[in-house]
Amino acid sequence: AQSVTQPDIHITVSEGASLELRCNYSYGATPYLFWYVQSPGQGLQLLLKYFSGDTLVQGIKGFEAEFKRSQSSFNLRKPSVHWSDAAEYFCAAGDPGKYSGGGADGLTFGKGTHLIIQP
Amino acid sequence: DTGVSQNPRHKITKRGQNVTFRCDPISEHNRLYWYRQTLGQGPEFLTYFQNEAQLEKSRLLSDRFSAERPKGSFSTLEIQRTEQGDSAMYLCASRRGNGAYEQYFGPGTRLTVT
Repeated sequence: AQSVTQPDIHITVSEGASLELRCNYSYGATPYLFWYVQSPGQGLQLLLKYFSGDTLVQGIKGFEAEFKRSQSSFNLRKPSVHWSDAAEYFCAAGDPGKYSGGGADGLTFGKGTHLIIQP
Repeated sequence: DTGVSQNPRHKITKRGQNVTFRCDPISEHNRLYWYRQTLGQGPEFLTYFQNEAQLEKSRLLSDRFSAERPKGSFSTLEIQRTEQGDSAMYLCASRRGNGAYEQYFGPGTRLTVT
């Protein structure tokens, strides 16, 4: 079965420090990969996406993610966090075959990582 | 793009009542998705429309759940005979077809069943 795992439920980082949030996937083939952020009471905002090509992708708000096929990982990074980055972060995956074949391309999400920023 | 909108934002209902939620996708997005998110979990895919055609129903949680998109624009999600376990955030997302793969989410409808 397809799955996305975010091993860290909570992460606490000091403001100005670097950040890495982990994401691992289990799919038959390399999925499309996404990171979303959710602030309290809000919907999900897309941070970045990976479909193919360059394995280091840049997103909004200074975030980047690196796709590593050998590790089935798509970790999210930021060199220096701000207090406004405190939120819930979700990694998600989609089946490329269903995207191109017109199938039901609903995303599979991880359980999320809650990011806390210490002053 | 004005973004995906959902109404109502909050709904409190008594067990056994029916509820209906509305989603207005980004204009010209022909694909529309419904997800459910419970506390401490990521969103769970429920159903999907391409224009007015509902192409995936098997993930709907029970036969009490149904969705429509009658003219290929807005969509409704109905839950009949609500149960306390239906309390959750219901999220709608949309995307363009034709090679644009990212889904854009609305703010969600928070359902509380008492």
